[in-house]
Amino acid sequence: DARVTQTPRHKVTEMGQEVTMRCQPILGHNTVFWYRQTMMQGLELLAYFRNRAPLDDSGMPKDRFSAEMPDATLATLKIQPSEPRDSAVYFCASGFGGGNIQYFGAGTRLSVL
Amino acid sequence: GQQVMQIPQYQHVQEGEDFTTYCNSSTTLSNIQWYKQRPGGHPVFLIQLVKSGEVKKQKRLTFQFGEAKKNSSLHITATQTTDVGTYFCAGMWFNNAGNMLTFGGGTRLMVKP
Repeated sequence: DARVTQTPRHKVTEMGQEVTMRCQPILGHNTVFWYRQTMMQGLELLAYFRNRAPLDDSGMPKDRFSAEMPDATLATLKIQPSEPRDSAVYFCASGFGGGNIQYFGAGTRLSVL
Repeated sequence: GQQVMQIPQYQHVQEGEDFTTYCNSSTTLSNIQWYKQRPGGHPVFLIQLVKSGEVKKQKRLTFQFGEAKKNSSLHITATQTTDVGTYFCAGMWFNNAGNMLTFGGGTRLMVKP
């Protein structure tokens, strides 16, 4: 049963610490998305990769967030330094192409104290 | 940029009542997708509509795509407690990065038994 795998599932950290979230897309998918979900903001697109190349990261706060795909099986989202307002659930999704069906991971629930 | 508006934000219904959520785009869409997110879960793909005026059914769920391909609706007949969750529409459009999906803000459905 192919699925998108995200780690960790939960992360509690203190303000100022670095946070790294990881995503393993479904094998063969060529697009990866990072979303942030809060109660107030719905699903907010942070970054989008196709064939490992970043295509759109306009939704990401550039001063503290960074997203990379070191290889086709791993996408990372880093926050440095983290702030309490970063507390949210971060979802990774993968698919074929930008507009096709997206398969979501279970998410990383981040709490920054 | 492209916007997809979804209403209502929240809906409480008594079990057995019908429910409808509406999705509107500022521009013509290539297709529209619907996702369901159970409480504490992740968005899961339900269906994709491509043709103008298309209507598709999944048991008690009826999905419609408007004639102008700028709006869509999801109707649930005789809601059950298993229908609880947030329903997102996502419109596909084109930008410099190719095809893109833009998610609506979601409608959170609560069903009283």
